[in-house]
Amino acid sequence: AQSVTQLDSQVPVFEEAPVELRCNYSSSVSVYLFWYVQYPNQGLQLLLKYLSGSTLVKGINGFEAEFNKSQTSFHLRKPSVHISDTAEYFCAVKGSARQLTFGSGTQLTVLP
Amino acid sequence: SQTIHQWPATLVQPVGSPLSLECTVEGTSNPNLYWYRQAAGRGLQLLFYSVGIGQISSEVPQNLSASRPQDRQFILSSKKLLLSDSGFYLCAWSSGSASYNEQFFGPGTRLTVL
Repeated sequence: AQSVTQLDSQVPVFEEAPVELRCNYSSSVSVYLFWYVQYPNQGLQLLLKYLSGSTLVKGINGFEAEFNKSQTSFHLRKPSVHISDTAEYFCAVKGSARQLTFGSGTQLTVLP
Repeated sequence: SQTIHQWPATLVQPVGSPLSLECTVEGTSNPNLYWYRQAAGRGLQLLFYSVGIGQISSEVPQNLSASRPQDRQFILSSKKLLLSDSGFYLCAWSSGSASYNEQFFGPGTRLTVL
């Protein structure tokens, strides 16, 4: 079985501050990991993915994430956020199950 | 390039009425197709997925059904809507041959049942 836990449902942060959105997963086999972003009333857009190789993955819009196998984590980071980064962010894992499993989401709100 | 379409974009329906939401994918063949629902303030709930024409797997028992009449067409239906069917419905596809199942999402349909 595979599962994903996003530890924070809401993360408020001031503009130009750094942010980290946390994601932990559980799987009995090797995993592929994803972060998606959803703007209001839109579908999900892929931010970045980890399939293999370097554990630091860079994505679109200045986001990056680090795969930590020992801590079973895949936290998303951005050194300086903008108002336009306000959105909901979903972590997802593909392990032994046939399909992706999504976390419950983290609402990032960037304050002026 | 591949694109995914959903319609309608928004829909308001009375309780007990039927439902048909359509999703089509262009630029790929033999995709895996998915229907998700997002209720207000909640995460993504996988409703159905399909690995081929006429092949539907249901993840959650409910009054909804799905069909795949063509390779790149996926339809979500209901004979009688419930208030609890309100939500944001997302269709997604992934490559049928890729092992990592990266999914690409459509723009969604906002359904309100009154």
